Amino acid sequence: NAGVMQNPRHLVRRRGQEARLRCSPMKGHSHVYWYRQLPEEGLKFMVYLQKENIIDESGMPKERFSAEFPKEGPSILRIQQVVRGDSAAYFCASSQFGGTNSEQYFGPGTRLTVT
Amino acid sequence: KQEVTQIPAALSVPEGENLVLNCSFTDSAIYNLQWFRQDPGKGLTSLLLIQSSQREQTSGRLNASLDKSSGRSTLYIAASQPGDSATYLCAVVNNNAGNMLTFGGGTRLMVKP
Repeated sequence: NAGVMQNPRHLVRRRGQEARLRCSPMKGHSHVYWYRQLPEEGLKFMVYLQKENIIDESGMPKERFSAEFPKEGPSILRIQQVVRGDSAAYFCASSQFGGTNSEQYFGPGTRLTVT
Repeated sequence: KQEVTQIPAALSVPEGENLVLNCSFTDSAIYNLQWFRQDPGKGLTSLLLIQSSQREQTSGRLNASLDKSSGRSTLYIAASQPGDSATYLCAVVNNNAGNMLTFGGGTRLMVKP
C-alpha cells in the first residue's frame, strides 16, 4: 500500500517561472492538505481540499498561489512567477475522512529552490 | 490564534537515556494532538495521535501524554537509541478550525552512541 506520493522531490526554478507540485494521496483517501516549511521555520498550513473542492485556503498567500484536486489525478499546488522567498519544502498530507479526528499522513515533500 | 511551542529546541543525550520532550499550546480547545518524527530532508512520520478525551497513548518505547486543560503534552522516549535521532514535532487540530494542523517548531534530538 503506497503512501502519499509527491513529485518532483526537488524542483529548481528561476525567478518568474511557474512551479507545479503534485501530490497523490494514499489509496482510499479523498482529503488532501498542503503545508509549507520555510528554512529554519516550522510547518505552516496552506490549504485543505477534497475532490473538486477547496475546503479551507486560509493559509494560502493571496497572490500567485493556487491549488486544485480534480476528480481524476493528483492534487496540484501551483506557484506562478516564483520569487526567492518561495524557496521551501512543500509537504502534502492526506486523510481518509474529513472529520477533525482523522489522522493525516504526510508525503516526502517537494523541495523548491528559486534561483 | 493557536500557538504551539516546543521546548527544548535541541537536545543531545547519550544512548540509553530516558528523555522527555515538551509541547505546549495556548488554546486548549483542541480536537487532538499528534506527535511526528522528521528525519533530515525527509517527510513526517506520525508517531502517536491523542484524542482530546484521552490522557495518553503508547507505542513501543514511546509514550505521549496530554493535559488539555493546562495546554501541555509530553513525549517520553525510553531507552533512547542513536536511531531515534531526528526532529520531533507536535501539532494540534483546533475546534472550529477545520482540519488543519498547527505545528510547533520542533525539538532536534541527537542520541550519541
